[in-house]
Amino acid sequence: DAGVIQSPRHEVTEMGQEVTLRCKPISGHDYLFWYRQTMMRGLELLIYFNNNVPIDDSGMPEDRFSAKMPNASFSTLKIQPSEPRDSAVYFCASSPGRGEILTEQFFGPGTRLTVL
Amino acid sequence: DAKTTQPPSMDCAEGRAANLPCNHSTISGNEYVYWYRQIHSQGPQYIIHGLKNNETNEMASLIITEDRKSSTLILPHATLRDTAVYYCIVRVVIPIGQNFVFGPGTRLSVLP
Repeated sequence: DAGVIQSPRHEVTEMGQEVTLRCKPISGHDYLFWYRQTMMRGLELLIYFNNNVPIDDSGMPEDRFSAKMPNASFSTLKIQPSEPRDSAVYFCASSPGRGEILTEQFFGPGTRLTVL
Repeated sequence: DAKTTQPPSMDCAEGRAANLPCNHSTISGNEYVYWYRQIHSQGPQYIIHGLKNNETNEMASLIITEDRKSSTLILPHATLRDTAVYYCIVRVVIPIGQNFVFGPGTRLSVLP
């Protein structure tokens, strides 16, 4: 298995533009997580899905952020409109859901977003 | 969830044990201590977790004080590949979502 796949790996955009980050989880994994990492705030959990259904989005910073999982093999995190403070590395992770979810997360390589 | 305090950085000689401390003086009775690490530019990796008793797995040992106000992660024979940022997180198991935040952690440098 190729692991969790994220695209793009790097994204540079201008303030006000829409940004879409993509994630393909490991096949067979029932849980998918989106994280954001910045120097100021560290690594934060934004939202997670179970069987394509959003379970907890309490970490999503504001309405400009939205996430979808239309099927078991694809998820998107959208920012519209983007702002410079959204600049961060965004990680996607998936978990098979056996036993304790937090201990069996497999992370993607991340997308480094820069909003000018 | 309880807050944690970790030293910002530590050095360790290759082949020696690395002992990474974490203070969590406000921990509640149902909160676990989790340790993760993040090697440069990669996503975090789970290492170990525990509630009260000391724990050991193939990667590390976790020593939790009797009053549970602090813990130590031990890498018994550190290698250069263990150079990473190590995060100590205290939280309940469920629910997963809110407050699952990794703080600044400890940057461990394993020196040859």
